[in-house]
Amino acid sequence: KAGVTQTPRYLIKTRGQQVTLSCSPISGHRSVSWYQQTPGQGLQFLFEYFSETQRNKGNFPGRFSGRQFSNSRSEMNVSTLELGDSALYLCASSPRQGHSGANVLTFGAGSRLTVL
Amino acid sequence: AQSVTQPDIHITVSEGASLELRCNYSYGATPYLFWYVQSPGQGLQLLLKYFSGDTLVQGIKGFEAEFKRSQSSFNLRKPSVHWSDAAEYFCAVGNAGNMLTFGGGTRLMVKP
Repeated sequence: KAGVTQTPRYLIKTRGQQVTLSCSPISGHRSVSWYQQTPGQGLQFLFEYFSETQRNKGNFPGRFSGRQFSNSRSEMNVSTLELGDSALYLCASSPRQGHSGANVLTFGAGSRLTVL
Repeated sequence: AQSVTQPDIHITVSEGASLELRCNYSYGATPYLFWYVQSPGQGLQLLLKYFSGDTLVQGIKGFEAEFKRSQSSFNLRKPSVHWSDAAEYFCAVGNAGNMLTFGGGTRLMVKP
């Protein structure tokens, strides 16, 4: 069974550009969550999608957005990149929506974004 | 608001020695608790979880953790550390949602 696949694994952008990251969940998983990991702030929740709808959102500016497709694949977008957006962006999938009960998240290897 | 504290940023142990990584949480209700491990350049791998029931939980790679409600703790233990255990370890608390709150992590180094 394939795990959570994130693409690209590494990318470099300059300030002001925008970036799109992709996440393919484990087959049959319908929930996709995104997390940002930085040395200063640690691991922080960005948002969760289930059935193509955003279910939860963390405390991030509107420059951070996402979507989910009917096949459960998800993308996140960051517009007008800032130096502080340099981070490892982790995607996690789960079989069920969050409030359905205690769920286990399976994480991908992440997309490392560097903003110059 | 829920929070997780991992008091030890770095820990160094000798190979074969025992290990205990500390985790304290703040949460209003019965928490869902997790330990994840991250090797350099990799994502997070689940070691173990506590949802309810037996407060001593067993995980992969010989790890175990004990939930102590009175101390708001969920410490991770391993009786004998291997060099391959060197990594960063994260404790996390979750509500009924898929939003996890992570601690700051503990970086484990293993001396030969």
